Amino acid sequence: GAVVSQHPSWVICKSGTSVKIECRSLDFQATTMFWYRQFPKQSLMLMATSNEGSKATYEQGVEKDKFLINHASLTLSTLTVTSAHPEDSSFYICSAPQDRENTEAFFGQGTRLTVV
Amino acid sequence: GESVGLHLPTLSVQEGDNSIINCAYSNSASDYFIWYKQESGKGPQFIIDIRSNMDKRQGQRVTVLLNKTVKHLSLQIAATQPGDSAVYFCAESSSGGYNKLIFGAGTRLAVHP
Repeated sequence: GAVVSQHPSWVICKSGTSVKIECRSLDFQATTMFWYRQFPKQSLMLMATSNEGSKATYEQGVEKDKFLINHASLTLSTLTVTSAHPEDSSFYICSAPQDRENTEAFFGQGTRLTVV
Repeated sequence: GESVGLHLPTLSVQEGDNSIINCAYSNSASDYFIWYKQESGKGPQFIIDIRSNMDKRQGQRVTVLLNKTVKHLSLQIAATQPGDSAVYFCAESSSGGYNKLIFGAGTRLAVHP
């Protein structure tokens, strides 16, 4: 099946710094990708829809200036957590559908962010 | 709407028994549903999906049932194995959503030998 890869798998950063997380579709092109956040023992919460060549669409309550999304190519979307704080510590996961129809969405392996 | 689970409910079963995991979805316009399995520290793994024009779909050892009347989805796992231990999430999407998935709260399945 299709593969979606995230990098890094985990990262520890200091408060106030920024962290970039990459999401790549390895064997298909993805004009749309999705970013989710998951706190411990909770479900995945959709943060934003990343659109290739245009602005991301953010879910209600998600700060677009804090979570910068760039989808510069058909195989790469990046999420940058700016001015990170300890409360941003979470598991960030991306997904990419293979086509426009609602079919199986492929997920990355996730990135564990710890802000100290 | 979005679902947030503060505490994951746990289903404990004996190895070899059948497991049934339930999920209530929120959007009556949703027409595509997926069950995912998530192991600790990993991304969700696709198990099985179903469209709203069906009420049952079977895979290998798994069956998904959809009841649109009460907006209820269930996942049945036959002959549950220790390797099935994980957190299971249902997810819903609507036409034109282009795989924008809204996840349910999740259920932890614990399989005991």
